[in-house]
Amino acid sequence: SYVLTQPPSVSVAPGQTARITCGGNNVGSKSVHWYQQKPGQAPVLVVYNDSDRPSGIPERFSGSNSGNTATLTISRVEAGDEADYYCQVWENTSGHPDVVFGGGTKLTVL
Amino acid sequence: QLQLQESGPGLVKPSETLSLTCTVSGGSISRSSNYWGWVRQPPGKGLEWIGKIYYSGSTYYNPSLKSRVTLSVDTSKNQFSLKLSSVTAADTAIYYCARLPTVTNWFDPWGQGTLVTVSS
Repeated sequence: SYVLTQPPSVSVAPGQTARITCGGNNVGSKSVHWYQQKPGQAPVLVVYNDSDRPSGIPERFSGSNSGNTATLTISRVEAGDEADYYCQVWENTSGHPDVVFGGGTKLTVL
Repeated sequence: QLQLQESGPGLVKPSETLSLTCTVSGGSISRSSNYWGWVRQPPGKGLEWIGKIYYSGSTYYNPSLKSRVTLSVDTSKNQFSLKLSSVTAADTAIYYCARLPTVTNWFDPWGQGTLVTVSS
């Protein structure tokens, strides 16, 4: 089955740029979606189709996807961005359609 | 504004069947552009997809759960439901329902989630 690999944790100082990676075999050929989950809350979609933002999501959130790595970039990080972040794809090349989530990355704002 | 709300028992005994319902408001569950799905999250762990259903009843399931999962839809009540049979402690999790656009398969919006504990 398809696997998405994320670093368990990323730390960044306020005002700096955070980059959270999501690795997978030829993930650049798939559409990657990203979710933010704060403690005790449901996940929220922050980037879809690699780099698009839903309405209401700040422009500080951006995404890219190429080769074997997709990246969520958060510019000018704020304390309120501290959360768990998950990548997700729809995998339908193996004959068994499946939603795949990465293991999640905890973003700590120092 | 589309909203989803999970409901069901918070405690289920081992070997029994977990049953949850998701009520959709602010839009019709019969809209052709959407699937409706379930995701769970064990305490302190990551997200796991359970399955998705179209208003017509067409379903896709996580292969690892497929033998125990049944999804159904009630368009008259604007609801869809999850049944997970033969539960064990490993099925203890927060269960979320969410919308998935048919072509793109992202989850948005999500319900607030409901904690289901499997224990005798």
